[in-house]
Order: sequence, then structure tokens, then C-alpha cells
Amino acid sequence: DVKVTQSSRYLVKRTGEKVFLECVQDMDHENMFWYRQDPGLGLRLIYFSYDVKMKEKGDIPEGYSVSREKKERFSLILESASTNQTSMYLCAIATTTGSGGYTFGSGTRLTVV
Amino acid sequence: AQSVTQLGSHVSVSEGALVLLRCNYSSSVPPYLFWYVQYPNQGLQLLLKYTTGATLVKGINGFEAEFKKSETSFHLTKPSAHMSDAAEYFCAVKEGGYSTLTFGKGTMLLVSP
Repeated sequence: DVKVTQSSRYLVKRTGEKVFLECVQDMDHENMFWYRQDPGLGLRLIYFSYDVKMKEKGDIPEGYSVSREKKERFSLILESASTNQTSMYLCAIATTTGSGGYTFGSGTRLTVV
Repeated sequence: AQSVTQLGSHVSVSEGALVLLRCNYSSSVPPYLFWYVQYPNQGLQLLLKYTTGATLVKGINGFEAEFKKSETSFHLTKPSAHMSDAAEYFCAVKEGGYSTLTFGKGTMLLVSP
């Protein structure tokens, strides 16, 4: 089974800092996703990527950017962190196209103070 | 556009009682449907999925769900709740191809002794 690793479980950053959240898979899947999860709002898609150097905006891309220089790594970047970006961030990969679901990492709980 | 509605942000049952978590979807094409479970401070884990074929789908931990096209529903059930079932459950829909997963807002299942 594929493994999806998010580098940090808990992160505390200051307002205005540039924040990098890393996600690494141990296989060769093309499609990778970043979601944020907030109580009562479920999971909302921020960005996704279907190949190296390719990216697509999701439903809530404002305040975020992404980088995918290698197939196995997909990074989420908060250019200037704000308190309203305090959230749980979940990385996922699509293990197959079409009917396949996603495999998720364990999540990074980011607090911006 | 696809969307998912989960009825009830919280559902409480007694240990041994029937679990019923409701999910309705909208999709312009025959959908792929998923249920995920999230335990505290963890990522999401796939419980079961419907793609094509048999409309009653069995998943892990004794859960099952039935796809009812006429009702646009995909409710999750388990005959007898266990304390370890206490978690948050997410229903998700995908329209196939390269579309992304759209999640409901989640239902927290509380199990009392």
C-alpha cells in the first residue's frame, strides 16, 4: 500500500511568516491534493496537481500556493500566514484515476498566532 | 456540479444499537461514492466505496452502504455499534475521470455505554 507522509503533525507559526507544508508519497502516483479541514465545514480543496510542475486551483486557493518539482513531493505554501489559516491540513493522493478514492496523510495541525 | 449533504452533524447511539449515517448527493453523471472515517488527530481512512455493479457495498469494521439512485442516497449502516466506532464520518462523491473528490461536512458518531 502507498504511504503518504506529512512532515509535521503540529506546527505553530507567527502571523506574516512564510510556511511550508510538505507531503511525500513513496510510490509513483500522479495526482496529489491539499485539503484543509475545519469543524463544521468538512474538507475543502485548496490545490491539486496531476503531474510534476502542473497545478490546479481548488475551491479555496486564496492565500496559498503549491510546488511540485518532483513527482513524489507536493508542497503547500502559505506566503504570509494569517490567523484565519489556522486549521488541519490534509494531503492526499489518488491511487487510481476514475473510480479510485484517495489515500490520506495523517495531517498537519497548523496554528498561526 | 457535484455536491454532498450529510444529515446531522452529530449522531448519538448506545453501544449495540443500529448505526445509520445519512448521505445524499447530487451529480450530473453516475457517481462514484465513498465513505471515510477519521479518528481523533488522524487522517481519513477509506471505509467503503461504490463504483459500479452491486448497490449494497460492504466495508471494513462491519459497515455497509447502499447506493439508491432514485433517492440519490448512499447511507452508511452498521447493525451493532461498538465503542471503537466513535469517530467522524465523511461521505464523498466523484464524477469519474479526472474529477476531484467532493466531501460532505461530516457526521460525528458518539457511542455511549
